[in-house]
Amino acid sequence: KAGVTQTPRYLIKTRGQQVTLSCSPISGHRSVSWYQQTPGQGLQFLFEYFSETQRNKGNFPGRFSGRQFSNSRSEMNVSTLELGDSALYLCASSPDRGLNTGELFFGEGSRLTVL
Amino acid sequence: DQQVKQNSPSLSVQEGRISILNCDYTNSMFDYFLWYKKYPAEGPTFLISISSIKDKNEDGRFTVFLNKSAKHLSLHIVPSQPGDSAVYFCAASAGSQGNLIFGKGTKLSVKP
Repeated sequence: KAGVTQTPRYLIKTRGQQVTLSCSPISGHRSVSWYQQTPGQGLQFLFEYFSETQRNKGNFPGRFSGRQFSNSRSEMNVSTLELGDSALYLCASSPDRGLNTGELFFGEGSRLTVL
Repeated sequence: DQQVKQNSPSLSVQEGRISILNCDYTNSMFDYFLWYKKYPAEGPTFLISISSIKDKNEDGRFTVFLNKSAKHLSLHIVPSQPGDSAVYFCAASAGSQGNLIFGKGTKLSVKP
């Protein structure tokens, strides 16, 4: 069974640009969560999607947005990039956060560098 | 305000000895707790979990203890092996649809 796939793995952007990251969950998983990992802050929750609906949202500004498609694939977008947005963005999937025990399966992440 | 705290950024242990990683939480609504392990350039992988109705869960060399009154949990690794060297994240959730809240992680180094 293929794991969670994130693309691109690495990217470099400049301040003010926007970026879109993609995540393909494990087949059959309907919930997709996004996290930002930075050296000083650990993993911070961005948002969770289930059946194309945003079910939970963390404390990030509106520049961070996401969506989920009918095949459960998800994208997150960051507009007007700032230097502080440089981080590893992790996507995680699970069969159904409402029914299971909360275990998440993570992808390898997309490393974003903002110059 | 950090709801899940891992106060030790790093821990160094000799191979064969016990590793104890600690985690504190502030939200009394948390009812499910998990530990994840992360190697460099890889995503976190699930290690072990515990429900709030239990105070101990064991899986091979890994045991998680939960002290609800102290809002504290710990992960014990016995015996520690060099391959256990990684960053360990504690996470917690409230309810069946609550998102996972992670701590900042503890970097464990197991020396041969």
